Amino acid sequence: GESVGLHLPTLSVQEGDNSIINCAYSNSASDYFIWYKQESGKGPQFIIDIRSNMDKRQGQRVTVLLNKTVKHLSLQIAATQPGDSAVYFCADGGGTSYGKLTFGQGTILTVHP
Amino acid sequence: DSGVTQTPKHLITATGQRVTLRCSPRSGDLSVYWYQQSLDQGLQFLIQYYNGEERAKGNILERFSAQQFPDLHSELNLSSLELGDSALYFCASSGRGEGGQETQYFGPGTRLLVL
Repeated sequence: GESVGLHLPTLSVQEGDNSIINCAYSNSASDYFIWYKQESGKGPQFIIDIRSNMDKRQGQRVTVLLNKTVKHLSLQIAATQPGDSAVYFCADGGGTSYGKLTFGQGTILTVHP
Repeated sequence: DSGVTQTPKHLITATGQRVTLRCSPRSGDLSVYWYQQSLDQGLQFLIQYYNGEERAKGNILERFSAQQFPDLHSELNLSSLELGDSALYFCASSGRGEGGQETQYFGPGTRLLVL
């Protein structure tokens, strides 16, 4: 029979552009969020995290914004490079003391040279 | 390289069989997590161990079990395998706390194909 798969959102950008990847979460008690990058054939790679007492955090070429009011998270990548092409996942660390992560469906980022 | 190792990298087996996936956490990490990534379900949490004890359980089937050994490596056992168990299985580890709100670092995964 026909297989059913997740239909991931896609984002195509030109090299050098800024990219913005969005994520919505549902658990209002969540207080820890992480962005991961997954390249083909590899495991998720940590990019940046943010706790709920912050609304913005910056890393190297990346910025994460957290809007708790609307339960929205975004990842901004500055000066996107072809090596940034991957699937990007947001993960919700929940509001408990344990470490279960709930992952979003992912966004495919393609960077054209 | 995250420092988390998983073996084997690929596994092909038949329905009804049993397999064991192995994970070694980063040096010093006490928590180990297992996740399943499939085309139709995405990345899903299966189970967490902290210093040898089960800490949290997610969408893990009764046919699946895991354990963490005194040297902190972990094994995920999958039995009575079905076609739908074909997926990528990832192990992650995190620091010295009980896993709450600590960065999880993922291994390269084991790709399981059930024929």
